[in-house]
Amino acid sequence: NAGVTQTPKFRILKIGQSMTLQCTQDMNHNYMYWYRQDPGMGLKLIYYSVGAGITDKGEVPNGYNVSRSTTEDFPLRLELAAPSQTSVYFCASSYRGNEKLFFGSGTQLSVL
Amino acid sequence: GESVGLHLPTLSVQEGDNSIINCAYSNSASDYFIWYKQESGKGPQFIIDIRSNMDKRQGQRVTVLLNKTVKHLSLQIAATQPGDSAVYFCAVSDTGRRALTFGSGTRLQVQP
Repeated sequence: NAGVTQTPKFRILKIGQSMTLQCTQDMNHNYMYWYRQDPGMGLKLIYYSVGAGITDKGEVPNGYNVSRSTTEDFPLRLELAAPSQTSVYFCASSYRGNEKLFFGSGTQLSVL
Repeated sequence: GESVGLHLPTLSVQEGDNSIINCAYSNSASDYFIWYKQESGKGPQFIIDIRSNMDKRQGQRVTVLLNKTVKHLSLQIAATQPGDSAVYFCAVSDTGRRALTFGSGTRLQVQP
């Protein structure tokens, strides 16, 4: 099993550009999450989803959007990139809430 | 909301010694606790978890201790090896919450 797959691994954006970070999982997990990790810090929750068609905001949702049209995929959209969005982004999944998450390998994003 | 902190940003130990990494949490309703290991450039990797109906849980060379009275969690690593060098995160959740809240991490450095 591939687990949680994120693409791309690295990306540089100019201020004001937009992009979509892709995340897919093959474990048939209901719950999917997007976290960001700033240098030397812990992970902060951006958005999460408890199933196809259902999404909810986390701790730091401003500047991001998500959708969940299938169980497998949970893309994260940045509409107007800002330097404050320079970070490493991790997608994760779990079968249900309140249990361990399986993480992807991350996307390192720089906004210049 | 939930806040999760760690007692030391960096812990340096000699190879072969035991390591103890501590974590404090604030929400008395937290009932699920988990430790992750993150190596440079990689996503967090599950180490061990514990639920609030237990005080101690052991894995291979790792032990998690939970003290609900003082809202404290610790990770013990026995006979620390160079491969244990990484950043360690604790995270907590509760039945009503649908996502883990992460601490800021402790960097474990193993000296040969």
